[in-house]
Amino acid sequence: DAGVTQSPTHLIKTRGQQVTLRCSPKSGHDTVSWYQQALGQGPQFIFQYYEEEERQRGNFPDRFSGHQFPNYSSELNVNALLLGDSALYLCASSIRTGPYQETQYFGPGTRLLVL
Amino acid sequence: GQNIDQPTEMTATEGAIVQINCTYQTSGFNGLFWYQQHAGEAPTFLSYNVLDGLEEKGRFSSFLSRSKGYSYLLLKELQMKDSASYLCAVRDQYNTDKLIFGTGTRLQVFP
Repeated sequence: DAGVTQSPTHLIKTRGQQVTLRCSPKSGHDTVSWYQQALGQGPQFIFQYYEEEERQRGNFPDRFSGHQFPNYSSELNVNALLLGDSALYLCASSIRTGPYQETQYFGPGTRLLVL
Repeated sequence: GQNIDQPTEMTATEGAIVQINCTYQTSGFNGLFWYQQHAGEAPTFLSYNVLDGLEEKGRFSSFLSRSKGYSYLLLKELQMKDSASYLCAVRDQYNTDKLIFGTGTRLQVFP
């Protein structure tokens, strides 16, 4: 049973560029959440996708956008990259039971460096 | 506001017991999670508490007191491989889709 997978593992971009990160959830999971983790910090919630819609959003600007596909996989897009966007981007998958998300399981992350 | 506090760093000796504390002040509460994160890797799920009391899972136990806004993770019979960051995360009652993480406690286990 494959766990959460993310691609690419590492990425180097320059300021002003755009980036797309990809995530495939754990088998049987229908919800994908994206987090940004700066060095030495805990993960910060960006947004969550369920039924191909953005359900909740954290305190991130509109430069951060996403998408969920019918097979539950998801993309995170960041436009107009800033140096401060350098971080580990984590995808977490879970399954919704009623009003709640069950435990979120994390992928290995994509480490983004903006120069 | 939302605030989760954990000690930044802790050290312990192989074979010992260590307790990592977490206090939280959030607008609502719907469960507390502990994750382990080795350097450069993804967080892995350790435990979940939603009711008061102790949950034991092998060498790891987690305790919750909702009235005190307090949790701890207890690691017994420490091994070198337990050297990692331990993240405390609260699920918000009103926004159950997101986890609010602390900055993590970096634990170093020495022989």
